Amino acid sequence: AQSVTQLDSQVPVFEEAPVELRCNYSSSVSVYLFWYVQYPNQGLQLLLKYLSGSTLVESINGFEAEFNKSQTSFHLRKPSVHISDTAEYFCAVSDRGGGADGLTFGKGTHLIIQP
Amino acid sequence: DTAVSQTPKYLVTQMGNDKSIKCEQNLGHDTMYWYKQDSKKFLKIMFSYNNKELIINETVPNRFSPKSPDKAHLNLHINSLELGDSAVYFCASSSRDRGGDTEAFFGQGTRLTVV
Repeated sequence: AQSVTQLDSQVPVFEEAPVELRCNYSSSVSVYLFWYVQYPNQGLQLLLKYLSGSTLVESINGFEAEFNKSQTSFHLRKPSVHISDTAEYFCAVSDRGGGADGLTFGKGTHLIIQP
Repeated sequence: DTAVSQTPKYLVTQMGNDKSIKCEQNLGHDTMYWYKQDSKKFLKIMFSYNNKELIINETVPNRFSPKSPDKAHLNLHINSLELGDSAVYFCASSSRDRGGDTEAFFGQGTRLTVV
């Protein structure tokens, strides 16, 4: 079984400031790691994912996340945020045991961009 | 083209009624899921189904049942609706490798309100 912890339920940031959304996970097996974004009244969209290879992964809209195995973390960062980044961000894991267990999500972090 | 589509988007119904939510994916995936998002935005898997095996989250009441007429569809039937069933329900399908889910694609959600 695995679990995901997003310590911050809400992060207010001024526009053009940097931001980091924290994610830690716990699992007895190797995992794949994901960040999903949910804009108001919409479904979830994949922002970025780590499956293997380079531990630093990037999205097309300027977000990046780094897999740190020793700290079991997958924090999400952006050097300069925009108003349009206001959304709920979910960290998730899926285990690599071959089963169809789906994704285990953190409780989400609401990113609030202040002008 | 919509990858994962679910209908209806909104569903308001009275306690005790039976209702269904439909889901279709055109991605050719073998594995589909239902997730429930509660009022605090917490996402939890309800079912996974991959045309060979149905995995049921043991915390899901047996009033909820998935039905899959073919691998592109996974519908959710809910009997004897209760006030606590009010939530947003997301359908998803996943691409997979030998290890597990490499990405989940979500529908836009069905907001169920039980009155």
